[in-house]
Amino acid sequence: DIQMTQSPSSVSAYVGDRVTITCRASQDISRWLAWYQHKPGEAPKLLLYTASSLQSDVPSRFSGSGSGTDFTLTISSLQSEDFATYYCQQTSNFPLTFGGGTKVELK
Amino acid sequence: QSQLQESGPGLVKPSETLSLTCTVSGGSISNSGHYWGWIRQPPGKGLEWIGSSDYTGSTYYNPSLKSRVTISVDTSRNQFSLILSSVTAADTAVYYCARPRLGFLDWLTWGQGTLVTVSS
Repeated sequence: DIQMTQSPSSVSAYVGDRVTITCRASQDISRWLAWYQHKPGEAPKLLLYTASSLQSDVPSRFSGSGSGTDFTLTISSLQSEDFATYYCQQTSNFPLTFGGGTKVELK
Repeated sequence: QSQLQESGPGLVKPSETLSLTCTVSGGSISNSGHYWGWIRQPPGKGLEWIGSSDYTGSTYYNPSLKSRVTISVDTSRNQFSLILSSVTAADTAVYYCARPRLGFLDWLTWGQGTLVTVSS
């Protein structure tokens, strides 16, 4: 099984800050990686797929990069509605696996 | 665009069987090659993929749950279901059903989620 490791587990930031979250796969997954935003009481929301493709209606301040085993999610200028937990997920093959999550909190 | 809605008991006793159904609206469950899925989130923890099935009955399960999980698709009702046997308190979670982008394994459309508590 492919293990997904996210860091940091939490980050405190101000509105307007640039925030970077990393995700590492235990083996090469090419660009088969998705990122989700999850707010309490809501369903997770797909932000990016195939590492860097922005899902429709997702603001352009979200971007993704990486391939192989190392990936990054960047929020270029944090907005108040971006405070949430973010998860990566490998979409290379079954069994599907998620990272442990990164909680983005207001500083 | 499909919409998904979970339904089922919110309370299950330890050692008994958890059963949830996901009703798909806005599209046929058998009209595509989707692998419909179940994902859960225990309180205070992260997301965990439970398993997936396509409309033909081809299934994949999380190895850690495989001995207790069955996912099936009912095309006549446009529903898919989750059965988890021999539950314990560790199975307490919000359970989501989800649909991936066509032909891929990332989750585009989610149900609202349903909390299932395992307690006597």
